[in-house]
Amino acid sequence: DTAVSQTPKYLVTQMGNDKSIKCEQNLGHDTMYWYKQDSKKFLKIMFSYNNKELIINETVPNRFSPKSPDKAHLNLHINSLELGDSAVYFCASSQAHNSYEQYFGPGTRLTVT
Amino acid sequence: KQEVTQIPAALSVPEGENLVLNCSFTDSAIYNLQWFRQDPGKGLTSLLLIQSSQREQTSGRLNASLDKSSGRSTLYIAASQPGDSATYLCAVGANDYKLSFGAGTTVTVRA
Repeated sequence: DTAVSQTPKYLVTQMGNDKSIKCEQNLGHDTMYWYKQDSKKFLKIMFSYNNKELIINETVPNRFSPKSPDKAHLNLHINSLELGDSAVYFCASSQAHNSYEQYFGPGTRLTVT
Repeated sequence: KQEVTQIPAALSVPEGENLVLNCSFTDSAIYNLQWFRQDPGKGLTSLLLIQSSQREQTSGRLNASLDKSSGRSTLYIAASQPGDSATYLCAVGANDYKLSFGAGTTVTVRA
């Protein structure tokens, strides 16, 4: 039974398009995250939501907009995709915003051509 | 700004050999340090979490040490197996509950 799931697993799209990645967790956690893993393999936090409220918003272009319809879901919408957006995007969840034990999804590999 | 470095970037060893993975961080004011395992096409799995007040943590064949004052952590994997082949990531937890990750060490254990 998957704890943190993401769809799609792979996404290939052209520059200028708008796309969304979905994330769901069935752990009953209050906090969810989006991370970006770039070509150099560094994982960097983008956003964090706690009980549907945005609590972490790193320096990310405003073309990226997270949406949390409920605490089990955190989606990431990206407008006007650019080549530099190509990366692996990971969703994660934790029991609370002050918990360091995070559970990660399998990742979505986004390729912008 | 916290910077986390992992050396070496890649490591290949024969089965049975012990593995030593290094992690260094620039700001010693950390809350904790975690070691994760990343398998291709899969998410990250937490292996060990060391609180800043601890010196080491052990789980089975894995042992992680932490020297906060010198900004270093080492992950030891005893008697490596082909199933240990993966990328190992070190992540430092700050007081604002954010994790800063290193780029990882990719390990290949040859049968």
